[in-house]
Amino acid sequence: DAKTTQPPSMDCAEGRAANLPCNHSTISGNEYVYWYRQIHSQGPQYIIHGLKNNETNEMASLIITEDRKSSTLILPHATLRDTAVYYCIVRVDSGYSTLTFGKGTMLLVSP
Amino acid sequence: KAGVTQTPRYLIKTRGQQVTLSCSPISGHRSVSWYQQTPGQGLQFLFEYFSETQRNKGNFPGRFSGRQFSNSRSEMNVSTLELGDSALYLCASSVGLATNEKLFFGSGTQLSVL
Repeated sequence: DAKTTQPPSMDCAEGRAANLPCNHSTISGNEYVYWYRQIHSQGPQYIIHGLKNNETNEMASLIITEDRKSSTLILPHATLRDTAVYYCIVRVDSGYSTLTFGKGTMLLVSP
Repeated sequence: KAGVTQTPRYLIKTRGQQVTLSCSPISGHRSVSWYQQTPGQGLQFLFEYFSETQRNKGNFPGRFSGRQFSNSRSEMNVSTLELGDSALYLCASSVGLATNEKLFFGSGTQLSVL
């Protein structure tokens, strides 16, 4: 699986947009970018995923650069409940459902 | 629709004992995978099952085993428990194995080995 690089931590003020970057410079053409988040001691929660195009759902937006070497997860109006570890994962078409988690980004949303 | 259900939520065992953890996937999901999470190693893949067959296995000793039943429910077993097996064990399910299918995680079983 392609490796990802994320900043270890980020801060965001409540109500502001949180932009979480992810570098995946070795990504291949058939590999998807997934984002999950984990609130302390709970299971990871699916947020969004994409291949080439930008994606948006009720939780967030995913912006993938044209060369696909990096992406940004955008939480448009962060709340205190968005405080969590955010994982960017590149998933290869291997025939398995395995996800390889890195260390993620600890996002702290403050009042 | 009910989510992924893991039982028990908490478990305390002593060294040398064995333990069985249970996972009920979302209805209609046929793929179940297991992960171990510790503060030092993070989230690590254990194994994956699809249609009762183990499809993929992580780098864990043979003390860790699992199985999947015909109704897609899965169990994992750890024998001869060691202190280092203390961890949050997470189960995830998906409809199938396609790359664009989402995995949904349960809340996990927190295992403490004393």
